[in-house]
Amino acid sequence: AQKITQTQPGMFVQEKEAVTLDCTYDTSDPSYGLFWYKQPSSGEMIFLIYQGSYDQQNATEGRYSLNFQKARKSANLVISASQLGDSAMYFCAMREGNFGNEKLTFGTGTRLTIIP
Amino acid sequence: DARVTQTPRHKVTEMGQEVTMRCQPILGHNTVFWYRQTMMQGLELLAYFRNRAPLDDSGMPKDRFSAEMPDATLATLKIQPSEPRDSAVYFCASGLGSDTQYFGPGTRLTVL
Repeated sequence: AQKITQTQPGMFVQEKEAVTLDCTYDTSDPSYGLFWYKQPSSGEMIFLIYQGSYDQQNATEGRYSLNFQKARKSANLVISASQLGDSAMYFCAMREGNFGNEKLTFGTGTRLTIIP
Repeated sequence: DARVTQTPRHKVTEMGQEVTMRCQPILGHNTVFWYRQTMMQGLELLAYFRNRAPLDDSGMPKDRFSAEMPDATLATLKIQPSEPRDSAVYFCASGLGSDTQYFGPGTRLTVL
C-alpha cells in the first residue's frame, strides 16, 4: 500500500483563487509528521509546512495552511490567494515514528499551474 | 541564511566512469540524506546518516553506489561504474534529528 497518496497529478487554478492540494497517508504509528515541499521549475525542493500527529491545531505558514484531518488520514495543503509564483510541483511527505526515525516517504506530487 | 550546498550542479559523463557528488550540510545539523529523483520513480531515499554514522542505505544499489561522511561538513555519494539508468537528479538534505529536512539544489547527472 502507498504510504502517501496524492491523487491530483495536475491542477489549473486562476490567479488569486484559493487552492487545495490533496494528500492522504497510511500509517499505524501513532506518532508521525507530515510535510509539504514545493519544487519550482528551477528544481530545488523548498520546505513549506509541517504538521505533527499530536498537534492540536492545523499548521499555518503565511499563505499556506495544512488541513489536518486525523481520522480521515488526510493532510491537504491550502494556498490562499494564489500567485503566479505558486506554479510548481508540490510534494507531500511523511515521517513515521519520532525519535530514531528520520526517513521521509514522498508522494508522487501534484503539478500546480496558476493561470493569470 | 544557512543552506545545504551540493557540487557539482550538473554532471555529464560516459557509461563506466566514476561519479562523485558532494554535499555540505547545514552547520549543526546531525542528519544527512541522499535522495534520487526520476520521472519514473519519483523521490527515493538512497541513504542517510545520523551523527556521521550510516543508518540506512537499503535504497542504494550496493554494487555500484557508496555513501560516506568523512567529516561533519562533507557527505559524498559515489557511483562506480556509472550506467545510463543512473541518470537522475540527486538531492542531499540535512536536518536536526527528526525535524524538518532542508534540501540542497541537487546534482543533475546524465550518463551517456
